[in-house]
Amino acid sequence: SQTIHQWPATLVQPVGSPLSLECTVEGTSNPNLYWYRQAAGRGLQLLFYSVGIGQISSEVPQNLSASRPQDRQFILSSKKLLLSDSGFYLCAWTPGQGINTEAFFGQGTRLTVV
Amino acid sequence: AQTVTQSQPEMSVQEAETVTLSCTYDTSESDYYLFWYKQPPSRQMILVIRQEAYKQQNATENRFSVNFQKAAKSFSLKISDSQLGDAAMYFCAYPYNNNDMRFGAGTRLTVKP
Repeated sequence: SQTIHQWPATLVQPVGSPLSLECTVEGTSNPNLYWYRQAAGRGLQLLFYSVGIGQISSEVPQNLSASRPQDRQFILSSKKLLLSDSGFYLCAWTPGQGINTEAFFGQGTRLTVV
Repeated sequence: AQTVTQSQPEMSVQEAETVTLSCTYDTSESDYYLFWYKQPPSRQMILVIRQEAYKQQNATENRFSVNFQKAAKSFSLKISDSQLGDAAMYFCAYPYNNNDMRFGAGTRLTVKP
């Protein structure tokens, strides 16, 4: 069965520090991978999605970047965090083919920039 | 435009009553799926129901059903016999280009005992 792991669950970082959030998927190959950000009590903002290794689509110009070094690994990074980067970050995957499947989500990372 | 719109930021329902959450979307495709997700306080995203666009019959999952109006690009979620555990954020979602899953802004549902 497929599983998705996202870590860490909680992170408190000072302004100006770097960030690395990791997400891995098991039990499938060539998934589409996503990073979303959710501000408190708000909707899901799509940050990045990837349809293959090294293929990253960015939706919102910002302080963050994403990379996909391996088929089932998706990393969200920042060189210098801003206060506005605080939020709840969700990684998700969908199968690479077909339109009839749901998105599967990780447990999320609560990032607080202080 | 690749947009999914939920026009109700908050909704409230009395326990055991029925509530309908609205969603509209924009697409030029004819064959696609639509999804409703629930996000309880734990923040884990849970699939509630999915609808196939080429099926005229509205999807139903126990107390959850949809009212799918393809021409109007409307996809509302009806929750019958509301329970306290239904309190959550609800998101509708549409996979643009089969690989770009977009979500609405969400509706926060409160269930009053």
